Amino acid sequence: KAGVTQTPRYLIKTRGQQVTLSCSPISGHRSVSWYQQTPGQGLQFLFEYFSETQRNKGNFPGRFSGRQFSNSRSEMNVSTLELGDSALYLCASRLGGRNTEAFFGQGTRLTVV
Amino acid sequence: AQTVTQSQPEMSVQEAETVTLSCTYDTSENNYYLFWYKQPPSRQMILVIRQEAYKQQNATENRFSVNFQKAAKSFSLKISDSQLGDTAMYFCASLGGSQGNLIFGKGTKLSVKP
Repeated sequence: KAGVTQTPRYLIKTRGQQVTLSCSPISGHRSVSWYQQTPGQGLQFLFEYFSETQRNKGNFPGRFSGRQFSNSRSEMNVSTLELGDSALYLCASRLGGRNTEAFFGQGTRLTVV
Repeated sequence: AQTVTQSQPEMSVQEAETVTLSCTYDTSENNYYLFWYKQPPSRQMILVIRQEAYKQQNATENRFSVNFQKAAKSFSLKISDSQLGDTAMYFCASLGGSQGNLIFGKGTKLSVKP
């Protein structure tokens, strides 16, 4: 069974640009969550999608948005990039129930210059 | 709000010895779950062990076990017979029944020395 796949693995963008990250969950998993990991703030929750609907949202500005498609694949978009958006972005998939185990992808390393 | 605190930024242990990583948490939930995740240099977050708060028995997974003290809101991880491959960042996390997101601690960097 394939694991959680995140693309791309590495990305370099310029301030002011926008970026889209992709996450393909484990087959059959309907929940996809996104986390931002930085040395200073640690791991912070961005949002969760379940069956194409945003189910939960963290405390991030509106520049961060996401969506989920009918095949459960999810995309995360960050507009008007700032230097502080440089981070490792991790995606986690779960079967569906809130208390089921989360499986993580290898992340996308975003560098904003 | 839920919080998770790991007070040991870095630890080291000799190969084959035992090490314990500390974690405390705070939650108002009655039904919650606690986890330890390992993040090696490859960056992929791997679940090490999971504990349901309503279960009094401490969870164990091979060389990994937890000491869950519900009243004290403490959830420590014990690694027995440490191996070089255990070198990684370890994150303690909680998941509340009413929320679907994990709350992570800041992590403990564990180095296993030969």
